[in-house]
Amino acid sequence: EVQLVESGGGLVQPGGSLRLSCAASGFTFSSYEMNWVRQAPGKGLEWVSYISSSGSTIYYADSVKGRFTISRDNAKNSLYLQMNSLRAEDTAVYYCARDQQLVPYFDYWGQGTLVTVSS
Amino acid sequence: VIWMTQSPSLLSASTGDRVTISCRMSQGISSYLAWYQQKPGKAPELLIYAASTLQSGVPSRFSGSGSGTDFTLTISCLQSEDFATYYCQQYYSFPRTFGQGTKVEIK
Repeated sequence: EVQLVESGGGLVQPGGSLRLSCAASGFTFSSYEMNWVRQAPGKGLEWVSYISSSGSTIYYADSVKGRFTISRDNAKNSLYLQMNSLRAEDTAVYYCARDQQLVPYFDYWGQGTLVTVSS
Repeated sequence: VIWMTQSPSLLSASTGDRVTISCRMSQGISSYLAWYQQKPGKAPELLIYAASTLQSGVPSRFSGSGSGTDFTLTISCLQSEDFATYYCQQYYSFPRTFGQGTKVEIK
């Protein structure tokens, strides 16, 4: 069974940093591209970042470019999101989501982890 | 950036109704469109990909159609478990974008 479990969310002050993790199981993690998607309270879904299976190709949404860094450790079956210079508008539930192998829609999602940026 | 216009934002319907949700793109995306269902406090779940292909395990009352710039999600006979929020999403190019969402509520 495919499982994606996020962790690392919490309360952080504006300008602070946080590192999210996503532990993957039930599939060959190193063969799949991965993403982070977020959802502000009461709002819609926003794609945040993508990383290829090897980690060689990375994309970011303009809203986080230069502040967030996506990475992965295929030996640990883990995906990460380093978030720096956090702003109030980064407050959201952050989901990790797997790309389907041949055509890149999101076929599995984690349960999400809440990040709150507030003083 | 491919902009998406999803409508309506709120849809009031009764069990047994046929409902239709629209998603329009700012440029053509062939059939690179997915639909997701999200219930309160839960992660989104994939319903349809490639505009019209039902994900395994999704009831056949859900269907998708369209290509290019105009797409539709139809629920043929609304069930109680279908009251949720639905999102379209394009995966034709980066940045991947979502529609604004359609909340289907009980009339």
